[in-house]
Amino acid sequence: DAGITQSPRHKVTETGTPVTLRCHQTENHRYMYWYRQDPGHGLRLIHYSYGVKDTDKGEVSDGYSVSRSKTEDFLLTLESATSSQTSVYFCAISLAGVDTQYFGPGTRLTVL
Amino acid sequence: GEDVEQSLFLSVREGDSSVINCTYTDSSSTYLYWYKQEPGAGLQLLTYIFSNMDMKQDQRLTVLLNKKDKHLSLRIADTQTGDSAIYFCAAPGDMRFGAGTRLTVKP
Repeated sequence: DAGITQSPRHKVTETGTPVTLRCHQTENHRYMYWYRQDPGHGLRLIHYSYGVKDTDKGEVSDGYSVSRSKTEDFLLTLESATSSQTSVYFCAISLAGVDTQYFGPGTRLTVL
Repeated sequence: GEDVEQSLFLSVREGDSSVINCTYTDSSSTYLYWYKQEPGAGLQLLTYIFSNMDMKQDQRLTVLLNKKDKHLSLRIADTQTGDSAIYFCAAPGDMRFGAGTRLTVKP
C-alpha cells in the first residue's frame, strides 16, 4: 500500500464546530486530493493540491478549505461543520494529475 | 460538467461472469481506471487501460474500451464471493469518479 495515513479515522462533532482532517503521505507525490463519499454519489472531489501552497477547488468545495504547507501534509478544514457534511472523507495522492491515484483509509465524520 | 456514469447494483451467482459498465464524457484522459472498494476500506486500483487500446486482459479481468461511444466495461470471469465490493470507474482527466457499482456475489 502507498504510504498514506489519515487522522482521525473517526470523529463525531456538533454543528457549528470547526473540524480539521489531516492527510499525510510518505511517497513524495506532487498531487493530493480530498474526496467525500456519500451513498448514491460515489466520490466527489472537494479540493486538490498540485504542489506546496498550490490548491484548487473541486466539484463540492463550498464549506471546506484546505492548506498544504509541506509536500507530505494536506489538511481539510470545515470552518463550521453542518449535518450535510456528515460523510466519509478520503484523501488520495498521485504523481501527476492524470496518474493513478492512491487512496488513504478514510475518515468517517459525523456532524450531529 | 464532465460525468462518469455507472449502474449502482449488480448481483451474480458465484462462478458466473460479471460485467460492470461505465460511460464517460471526458476525452482527455490518457488512462481510464477501475478501482475496487471493500467494506470499510479506501479504494484500491484494480486495473487500467490506456486510451488508445480496445482491450486489456489481466487474469480474470478484462477491460473493454469503446472510445467512440465513450464506454468502458470491466468483466470479471468466474466471479467469487471475494469479488463482492463496490467498483468505481474513473476518468482522471477531470478527477471524476463514477458513483460506483455494488457487486454482490451469491453462493
